[in-house]
Amino acid sequence: GAVVSQHPSRVICKSGTSVKIECRSLDFQATTMFWYRQFPKKSLMLMATSNEGSKATYEQGVEKDKFLINHASLTLSTLTVTSAHPEDSSFYICSASYPIAHNEQFFGPGTRLTVL
Amino acid sequence: GENVEQHPSTLSVQEGDSAVIKCTYSDSASNYFPWYKQELGKRPQLIIDIRSNVGEKKDQRIAVTLNKTAKHFSLHITETQPEDSAVYFCAAMEGGGADGLTFGKGTHLIIQP
Repeated sequence: GAVVSQHPSRVICKSGTSVKIECRSLDFQATTMFWYRQFPKKSLMLMATSNEGSKATYEQGVEKDKFLINHASLTLSTLTVTSAHPEDSSFYICSASYPIAHNEQFFGPGTRLTVL
Repeated sequence: GENVEQHPSTLSVQEGDSAVIKCTYSDSASNYFPWYKQELGKRPQLIIDIRSNVGEKKDQRIAVTLNKTAKHFSLHITETQPEDSAVYFCAAMEGGGADGLTFGKGTHLIIQP
């Protein structure tokens, strides 16, 4: 149980384009979803926290207009990287939690974004 | 906000020996401390976690200890095996599950055959 999927797993795009990444909880309703970014050989950094039906809460230094997050349902959150630039190239990982999971977060497999 | 420090950044041990990774945190309100194992290009895998009402937890070869007063927690792996080689991250979180995790910088554990 508690499976989280992400799509796509890998994406290459041109500079200036927008990319949408989907995060789905497959067998549970995720009241909260999180988006993390991980640069090569670095740690995971929390970008934002999203709750279904409300605006995402962004961490300091993360541009909300550049990283658009929509948590449209209890099983789906999307991250759109707008006007992507090479420095946005990274591994984006989502996680999801639900109240009786006692704080445990369930991670998706990640999306490797490469901006040319 | 929370700040998590993790040491060492790289740890090399002989197969069969024990490995210890240490983390400190800054926010006394943090009450959930998971440890993750991550292989290259893969998602983090939860290997063990501990909550602030417990001082120690063990699961077979893996144990975690927590010292709330000193604000540090440690991962102990005994009888290490080659498949234990990976990057390990500690993390801390406050609140009732609605907050994101603050991760340490990771430890690259190398098990020498």
